[in-house]
Amino acid sequence: DTGVSQDPRHKITKRGQNVTFRCDPISEHNRLYWYRQTLGQGPEFLTYFQNEAQLEKSRLLSDRFSAERPKGSFSTLEIQRTEQGDSAMYLCASSLAWSTSFSLSTDTQYFGPGTRLTVL
Amino acid sequence: AQTVTQSQPEMSVQEAETVTLSCTYDTSENNYYLFWYKQPPSRQMILVIRQEAYKQQNATENRFSVNFQKAAKSFSLKISDSQLGDTAMYFCAFLGGDMRFGAGTRLTVKP
Repeated sequence: DTGVSQDPRHKITKRGQNVTFRCDPISEHNRLYWYRQTLGQGPEFLTYFQNEAQLEKSRLLSDRFSAERPKGSFSTLEIQRTEQGDSAMYLCASSLAWSTSFSLSTDTQYFGPGTRLTVL
Repeated sequence: AQTVTQSQPEMSVQEAETVTLSCTYDTSENNYYLFWYKQPPSRQMILVIRQEAYKQQNATENRFSVNFQKAAKSFSLKISDSQLGDTAMYFCAFLGGDMRFGAGTRLTVKP
């Protein structure tokens, strides 16, 4: 078990550019979450997948944000036309869930190291 | 919507002493989970302890224990025999209809 990994660890981009982040969950985990964490705050839930199905995406910050998990393994989070306000740490977490009920069927979430995005 | 409040932005404690971090939450749900996560400086978030709302017994993990008061919607974390490695941000989190984190408490353990 190598834990949750994220790539890249740091990303600096210019305003208006598109960025994509990757998350590789713990191999046996079927659920994957994305969060945003701004400085001095707790993580803010964005979206999650169970296997390849995106079961919640209403919390994505705008239509510039999208996420995929095409084969139920790794996931990508894309931000189009980045803005300076998108600068933050983007965290991924994974867990093992035994039903599609969000809250009542999941084991503990394990977090990756995060991708720190800086938009100039 | 669920909210999680950590009223202590910063705390400090002397090494080997005991400290308690506070957390309150607001929900209309009856079944949920509560967590304390630790985020050391520049390092990833790790789980400290978890509590299922249906369990009356307070969770314990070695030097870490919680005081879960369901009626009061309170979930405090007690760290006994504090160690320098306990220095970190501590986040209280609620998992019910969605996942919510508090703003965190920065704990410094002083030698």
